[in-house]
Amino acid sequence: NAGVTQTPKFQVLKTGQSMTLQCAQDMNHEYMSWYRQDPGMGLRLIHYSVGAGITDQGEVPNGYNVSRSTTEDFPLRLLSAAPSQTSVYFCASSYRRANYGYTFGSGTRLTVV
Amino acid sequence: GENVEQHPSTLSVQEGDSAVIKCTYSDSASNYFPWYKQELGKRPQLIIDIRSNVGEKKDQRIAVTLNKTAKHFSLHITETQPEDSAVYFCAVSSGSARQLTFGSGTQLTVLP
Repeated sequence: NAGVTQTPKFQVLKTGQSMTLQCAQDMNHEYMSWYRQDPGMGLRLIHYSVGAGITDQGEVPNGYNVSRSTTEDFPLRLLSAAPSQTSVYFCASSYRRANYGYTFGSGTRLTVV
Repeated sequence: GENVEQHPSTLSVQEGDSAVIKCTYSDSASNYFPWYKQELGKRPQLIIDIRSNVGEKKDQRIAVTLNKTAKHFSLHITETQPEDSAVYFCAVSSGSARQLTFGSGTQLTVLP
């Protein structure tokens, strides 16, 4: 199993550009989430999904869209990049059964200039 | 929503000593409490977790205790080693996807 795979690992965007961060998992996990990590602030939830076709907003959803057309994939779209979106983005997935931990991808380091 | 506070933000210990990191949470319905270790430039990795029906769990040199009445839980690392140096995050699971709310992290440094 590859686990949770994120691409790209690094990205530089200009203000106003759009892009999609890819996340795929091969563990047949029902739950998937996107977090951003900023220095001194821990990880904050952007969007999450309980299964294909179902998504919901987390703590910091503004400026981001998600979709979940398959169990495996959960892409995160930045609509119009802003410097405030400079961060490290982590995708995570978990089984639906109770009290199973989330597995994280290796992250995407995004810089918006 | 859930609010998680973590203390201390930095912790330095001598190799071989113990380290304790504490977290408090606000939602009494939360029922799963994982701890993650993150080395510099790497992904968070689950090191131990505890469920709400258990008061303490131990795995070799690490242990977690939970006090549901007081809404706090702690990570204990004994016989610390230099490779324990990392940032440690507590988290609380709640909601339809058991999504995680994280504490702000503790930078642990083990001095040789």
